[in-house]
Amino acid sequence: GQQVMQIPQYQHVQEGEDFTTYCNSSTTLSNIQWYKQRPGGHPVFLIQLVKSGEVKKQKRLTFQFGEAKKNSSLHITATQTTDVGTYFCAGLGSTDKLIFGTGTRLQVFP
Amino acid sequence: SQTIHQWPATLVQPVGSPLSLECTVEGTSNPNLYWYRQAAGRGLQLLFYSVGIGQISSEVPQNLSASRPQDRQFILSSKKLLLSDSGFYLCAWSARGWRGRNHEQYFGPGTRLTVT
Repeated sequence: GQQVMQIPQYQHVQEGEDFTTYCNSSTTLSNIQWYKQRPGGHPVFLIQLVKSGEVKKQKRLTFQFGEAKKNSSLHITATQTTDVGTYFCAGLGSTDKLIFGTGTRLQVFP
Repeated sequence: SQTIHQWPATLVQPVGSPLSLECTVEGTSNPNLYWYRQAAGRGLQLLFYSVGIGQISSEVPQNLSASRPQDRQFILSSKKLLLSDSGFYLCAWSARGWRGRNHEQYFGPGTRLTVT
């Protein structure tokens, strides 16, 4: 079945360092969404990418959808302690259901 | 504005006991509704989704069931809990689009279930 993998599984960074998580799908996606889950909380929608090669920015966060629509990335510039949490990508594929990635847990040390 | 409620927030149940978790959505009509389970430190596993009253699709065979008695109410149940049912249960809704595509999901606060 369709799978969405994320790497790395964990990332520890010093505050101010950059962070990137990568999302890879086994099949072509109609769109890709990104969510953030704070420790002890629930996932919160961040953004959706639809077009091949699309790049969107939200302040220090940059989201990219691959040309083949099978991969995506989230880059955070100059991390802050408020960025701590688990970042999930979620892809909409041929099954018409959202498939969540395995997640990347980010820890930021002050 | 739309709001999604889940209760209870935490639950400790013995093995073999029944389960009923409730989710309600306010401020929207005809939503798609979803139940997910998240094991500690893991990703989200889709359990059930519903596109309308009485319409339930099951994603993973298990001893859980779901029902949608009203448009904005989604219930997760079990007749006999197993140890492996422990986890963080999340309800979510999304707007209904063309075949339910291209809409983000909004999650409730979740229920932390511990089966002892």
